[in-house]
Amino acid sequence: DAGITQSPRHKVTETGTPVTLRCHQTENHRYMYWYRQDPGHGLRLIHYSYGVKDTDKGEVSDGYSVSRSKTEDFLLTLESATSSQTSVYFCAISSGGQETQYFGPGTRLLVL
Amino acid sequence: AQSVTQLGSHVSVSEGALVLLRCNYSSSVPPYLFWYVQYPNQGLQLLLKYTTGATLVKGINGFEAEFKKSETSFHLTKPSAHMSDAAEYFCAIGGYQKVTFGTGTKLQVIP
Repeated sequence: DAGITQSPRHKVTETGTPVTLRCHQTENHRYMYWYRQDPGHGLRLIHYSYGVKDTDKGEVSDGYSVSRSKTEDFLLTLESATSSQTSVYFCAISSGGQETQYFGPGTRLLVL
Repeated sequence: AQSVTQLGSHVSVSEGALVLLRCNYSSSVPPYLFWYVQYPNQGLQLLLKYTTGATLVKGINGFEAEFKKSETSFHLTKPSAHMSDAAEYFCAIGGYQKVTFGTGTKLQVIP
């Protein structure tokens, strides 16, 4: 299995609170991705990174920001959490845009 | 823009029956196509992928998929369903720097 971890695995927070999720890899892959998974919507890309300090928006980026200061870490921040951001968040890594993606175990976030 | 469409959000089959999960794609360039599986409370894992060459692709756990350019399809099949196949399956298409996923099909296997 690819070495990819997410923390925390579960989080409950209140509306308006900032939240940061962490993705850590030990595979030295160039690409890292953040997705959210919601019933009926499959996986939707939030943001991705194609190198240290190189990031771009996905299809559902509003209300989210990311940072990648090291190859191995990719942080997702919810600036001010809302109930609509209650979801399961997955991180994935890849050696290329058209290559296999390897997924982390996910983070369940509940915003009250 | 590239996209995939999965037909049927839920599919039920009897144990031992054929599994057929449908995926159609849209792409202006030769596509890279994937099938991933997600078991409950886990992340996705790769079942198989098509890049170029042979159009029939074999994956793990007895699954296979056939790339049909004329039909813009990449359906996933397994000759005989097992209880352990119950999961959600995602078709995906690779593009520049990222992959686009379908909305998923939940497979139920009835004993």
